[in-house]
Amino acid sequence: DAMVIQNPRYQVTQFGKPVTLSCSQTLNHNVMYWYQQKSSQAPKLLFHYYDKDFNNEADTPDNFQSRRPNTSFCFLDIRSPGLGDAAMYLCATSRGIHVGRRNNQPQHFGDGTRLSIL
Amino acid sequence: TQLLEQSPQFLSIQEGENLTVYCNSSSVFSSLQWYRQEPGEGPVLLVTVVTGGEVKKLKRLTFQFGDARKDSSLHITAAQPGDTGLYLCAGMNSGYSTLTFGKGTMLLVSP
Repeated sequence: DAMVIQNPRYQVTQFGKPVTLSCSQTLNHNVMYWYQQKSSQAPKLLFHYYDKDFNNEADTPDNFQSRRPNTSFCFLDIRSPGLGDAAMYLCATSRGIHVGRRNNQPQHFGDGTRLSIL
Repeated sequence: TQLLEQSPQFLSIQEGENLTVYCNSSSVFSSLQWYRQEPGEGPVLLVTVVTGGEVKKLKRLTFQFGDARKDSSLHITAAQPGDTGLYLCAGMNSGYSTLTFGKGTMLLVSP
């Protein structure tokens, strides 16, 4: 089945130690997103790639970076994790739409990586 | 910045009861989506509503999109414990690929 796969499902890192989360997709979607979700809250968009174009949200801390080496893979790098970065990180994909077109494309989410900071 | 106000934030009901979740905004969206998220999993799309005034049914779930495309509701009839989860509405904007999420409604249905 075509899907969005996130690895690992659970990640534990130390305060200040860089960590990378990965996402892969078999849907061949040109848009990939990274969200941060804290307990019982809505997902908060960190950034997204439209093809190779990187789009950062204005309030995403500099501590968070992303790479998309090809259509299928996208990585979230946290350079110096703090205790406040403990959360579920969700990757999602969608088909892109043309500028000005009405957008009704669904986003397909992975099951997330739960990040804990010691 | 477009905002989606979702209410209620928490809802705890008994099996068999009906409920309605509301999603309101002062902005117009090109379409609106509803997702359900179970603990430890990612959100799963339930429905997309596109046309103002549209009503869609998914078994015991009824979704409405307001005439002005600024608000939406989700009504569940005869709730079951399997309906437990976080319900998220998300507005989509013309010309953009990003979603504006509401804060979510955590629903707990007890047997």
